[in-house]
Amino acid sequence: IAGITQAPTSQILAAGRRMTLRCTQDMRHNAMYWYRQDLGLGLRLIHYSNTAGTTGKGEVPDGYSVSRANTDDFPLTLASAVPSQTSVYFCASRRRVGSTGELFFGEGSRLTVL
Amino acid sequence: KQEVTQIPAALSVPEGENLVLNCSFTDSAIYNLQWFRQDPGKGLTSLLLIQSSQREQTSGRLNASLDKSSGRSTLYIAASQPGDSATYLCAVTFMKTSYDKVIFGPGTSLSVIP
Repeated sequence: IAGITQAPTSQILAAGRRMTLRCTQDMRHNAMYWYRQDLGLGLRLIHYSNTAGTTGKGEVPDGYSVSRANTDDFPLTLASAVPSQTSVYFCASRRRVGSTGELFFGEGSRLTVL
Repeated sequence: KQEVTQIPAALSVPEGENLVLNCSFTDSAIYNLQWFRQDPGKGLTSLLLIQSSQREQTSGRLNASLDKSSGRSTLYIAASQPGDSATYLCAVTFMKTSYDKVIFGPGTSLSVIP
């Protein structure tokens, strides 16, 4: 089934550790996004990529980095995790930026930083 | 400032009732509006996508309308069922030069009582 795969599904992490959340899509979508979802704050954009080889900062980029080496993969890295990064992280994609197309989401990665 | 709000925040109805969820946004320069459903601990599932040039979309028991000039959308659910219990989110893609600025509403938590 075509879609977005995220890994891990859930992770507990000690503060200060490095962590990479993986996101892979098989829809050949150009635009990809990372959101975090927190109770009372809703979904907020961390980073985006309009196409392979390009990335940009969203609303809450501090403490996170991304790369887009190819069309399918868009990993999110926490270089040195802090407790405030405890959240549910969602990867999303759309056919292309500026598109009127549908936004698709992965199932999420639940991260707890202790 | 671009904002998306949803009313009501929570709704509890008996099975079989028709219901309406509301979404409002502050800027009419949009690409589209998308309604999602989110079950506890799960990702976002797309329900309906309305382009900025459209007035409504229908899928089964769901009907979504869009009035761009007044900044409003409604999601109508006919003959509600317990399986419809979930949080419903509207997401508005605003036109922005560098990326698709998607702002999510806070959601309406729906409970359908058998």
